[in-house]
Amino acid sequence: DTGVSQDPRHKITKRGQNVTFRCDPISEHNRLYWYRQTLGQGPEFLTYFQNEAQLEKSRLLSDRFSAERPKGSFSTLEIQRTEQGDSAMYLCASSQPQREYTGELFFGEGSRLTVL
Amino acid sequence: DQQVKQNSPSLSVQEGRISILNCDYTNSMFDYFLWYKKYPAEGPTFLISISSIKDKNEDGRFTVFLNKSAKHLSLHIVPSQPGDSAVYFCAASEETSGSRLTFGEGTQLTVNP
Repeated sequence: DTGVSQDPRHKITKRGQNVTFRCDPISEHNRLYWYRQTLGQGPEFLTYFQNEAQLEKSRLLSDRFSAERPKGSFSTLEIQRTEQGDSAMYLCASSQPQREYTGELFFGEGSRLTVL
Repeated sequence: DQQVKQNSPSLSVQEGRISILNCDYTNSMFDYFLWYKKYPAEGPTFLISISSIKDKNEDGRFTVFLNKSAKHLSLHIVPSQPGDSAVYFCAASEETSGSRLTFGEGTQLTVNP
């Protein structure tokens, strides 16, 4: 399978614990995005990388959220001191700059976080 | 503020008929518009897009119409099939934003056999 891969698919944690999600993009894609989706809403942009550079992180929801892409390949999204309001689906997507821009992103299946 | 809005949470149509999904936006800087389809337990998958310099783009059974003056776009599916039953998200982006997409809330389409 050469699509975007996310791990774990489902994480259940207690409030106050830290969680980390991993995303492996499509191998030739140099852009990687994190989105969050809550029930009944569309995906909400959090942050994105071009290679290892984090080009925008102002939309990260609080300073408890951080993301890395140390070698420009896989990425991790960490949430520290989780709160019940962090319960959501965390989606990763990747893209490759194209000669003709289409805006298309390729999404993974998501990592569902449940905070008890 | 909700820059991309899908006012219909759900739509039900008969197999073989036309499905029309609507989307409105407020940000005049958006220059690309996309539709994504999402099945349960899967990530969104790209369906079709349109540049702001066009007013129509067609791909098989799927056609997207853009009305820039009204800041409105629609997705037409003809003929609708039961396998089209999914949540459809409208999204918009500015080319200079690096493909950062702003999504609507989604519309659940149900196509009845």
